[in-house]
Amino acid sequence: KNQVEQSPQSLIILEGKNCTLQCNYTVSPFSNLRWYKQDTGRGPVSLTIMTFSENTKSNGRYTATLDADTKQSSLHITASQLSDSASYICVVSGGEYGNKLVFGAGTILRVKS
Amino acid sequence: NAGVTQTPKFQVLKTGQSMTLQCAQDMNHEYMSWYRQDPGMGLRLIHYSVGAGITDQGEVPNGYNVSRSTTEDFPLRLLSAAPSQTSVYFCASSYRSVGYEQFFGPGTRLTVL
Repeated sequence: KNQVEQSPQSLIILEGKNCTLQCNYTVSPFSNLRWYKQDTGRGPVSLTIMTFSENTKSNGRYTATLDADTKQSSLHITASQLSDSASYICVVSGGEYGNKLVFGAGTILRVKS
Repeated sequence: NAGVTQTPKFQVLKTGQSMTLQCAQDMNHEYMSWYRQDPGMGLRLIHYSVGAGITDQGEVPNGYNVSRSTTEDFPLRLLSAAPSQTSVYFCASSYRSVGYEQFFGPGTRLTVL
């Protein structure tokens, strides 16, 4: 079954600290993996998209990694800010006909001052 | 560009009532879709469209209808609202298919009493 699992479910960190969010998937065949940021009361916004051949991709203070062999991805946030408080959603594209988007349940991050 | 717009932002219905959630995009995207987001779960696909005049069912289509008469608009109709349809609904669009970056609207929070 095509699944995306994220950990932890929620996380609280102090402003200025780094953190890493995890994503494991079983979607096969694999097309690409995306990380989205969803602020409270808003729609998800894309942070990164990675294909099979990409190991690392950065977007400012956000760095995503992908290990297609172990089917794992991580999102590392450097020098966190209060505005980083949001839900971070891992999404995998693929499936038998390449037409599936499988969403993780998200990790809720809270950055405290 | 306004991107993906949704109306209304909030709606309260009584069981059995019907309503239409509106979605529009101004990016000339071929692919549009509707998702629902429930606590602790990943977004689930309700219906999607690969172009004007073409729609298909997603993972959780029961109780919902869609149509796509123009490239820009993709309304979602609730035929006879049930409390189980209480959720946050997101419309998304992408250039051609799920393989491309999805752009999400701001969401509609629906409560069915």
